[in-house]
Amino acid sequence: DAKTTQPTSMDCAEGRAANLPCNHSTISGNEYVYWYRQIHSQGPQYIIHGLKNNETNEMASLIITEDRKSSTLILPHATLRDTAVYYCIVRPTNRDDKIIFGKGTRLHILP
Amino acid sequence: EAGVTQSPTHLIKTRGQQATLRCSPISGHTSVYWYQQALGLGLQFLLWYDEGEERNRGNFPPRFSGRQFPNYSSELNVNALELEDSALYLCASSLRYTGKTQYFGPGTRLLVL
Repeated sequence: DAKTTQPTSMDCAEGRAANLPCNHSTISGNEYVYWYRQIHSQGPQYIIHGLKNNETNEMASLIITEDRKSSTLILPHATLRDTAVYYCIVRPTNRDDKIIFGKGTRLHILP
Repeated sequence: EAGVTQSPTHLIKTRGQQATLRCSPISGHTSVYWYQQALGLGLQFLLWYDEGEERNRGNFPPRFSGRQFPNYSSELNVNALELEDSALYLCASSLRYTGKTQYFGPGTRLLVL
């Protein structure tokens, strides 16, 4: 599976947009970009995923560059409850299989 | 719609004992995945069950095993517990079709003394 690179940690002020970057330069054409987050000691929560178009749902927006080598997860109005570890993952579209989690980005929302 | 549920929430065992963890998937999901998250480590894939069959397993010893029942719920069994088995065990479920999103439960925290 393609590997991803994320910053170890980030800070964001409450009420501001949080922009979390992810590099996936070796992504294949049949691989999705997925984002999950894990609030302390809880199970990972699915946020959003996309293949090549930008995606938006009630939680976040996902912006994927045209060459698909990087993406940005945007939380439009961060709250203290968004403090978590955010994982960017690439997964093939043609396999049922395990998710390979990296170390993710620890996002701190500052009051 | 109910999410993935896991029981118990916490489990305390001693070395050498056996632990049984349970998972109920989201209604309609036939695939169940198990992951281990030891303290300070990342999430590691353990097992994948679908339609009652073990489809894949991660790099864990055979004392980690499980099964999936006809109603698609699943059990994870850990035999001959060791101290390093202390971890958060997470279950996820998905639809059967390839590449579908996995949804995680709240986890079972196992402590081995």
